[in-house]
Amino acid sequence: KNEVEQSPQNLTAQEGEFITINCSYSVGISALHWLQQHPGGGIVSLFMLSSGKKKHGRLIATINIQEKHSSLHITASHPRDSAVYICAVRRSGGGADGLTFGKGTHLIIQP
Amino acid sequence: NAGVTQTPKFQVLKTGQSMTLQCAQDMNHNSMYWYRQDPGMGLRLIYYSASEGTTDKGEVPNGYNVSRLNKREFSLRLESAAPSQTSVYFCASSVSNRESGYTFGSGTRLTVV
Repeated sequence: KNEVEQSPQNLTAQEGEFITINCSYSVGISALHWLQQHPGGGIVSLFMLSSGKKKHGRLIATINIQEKHSSLHITASHPRDSAVYICAVRRSGGGADGLTFGKGTHLIIQP
Repeated sequence: NAGVTQTPKFQVLKTGQSMTLQCAQDMNHNSMYWYRQDPGMGLRLIYYSASEGTTDKGEVPNGYNVSRLNKREFSLRLESAAPSQTSVYFCASSVSNRESGYTFGSGTRLTVV
């Protein structure tokens, strides 16, 4: 079983819809990251969370440490939001540095 | 613009050839990472360098070597390329503490034939 699971894998929605992408993890973490990857491949960091909620423009990220679950919400979605959204965690404790990634959610927003 | 620069962006190699992927950051970050991204899988850590002068294996290090040349530069070498190493490679950097953000390079698409 993957340590970081995202759902859904694929999501197609109409412009203006409220979007939710979910991430569950099974390891202890010090932080959770949400990343965006556009066609063409570049990866951009959206949020880093260790507790609570963060908002940036139309994007909102929440995390529930007790339930080991995070959500990324997009309000008033727009075709330019079409991308792959990736959840990644930084493990707590010792061991290798770096992030453990989910497989990503491929989001398409249709006009 | 400040950030992480990777070269080359594209490369085709024949099986058995060697090459080095270059990565440089100008944000004075201590930690640098090499990941590979394959279809249907999340990014996986190949090697990382927590600080200048140190390197450590990640999840999938076999077939690769790395060099942390100085604080700015972290290179990834394929000594004898194999088709299984066909992938997109990303370099990333972070300040280094456990709750710092990451900056990614634009990726290198490598095909081994």
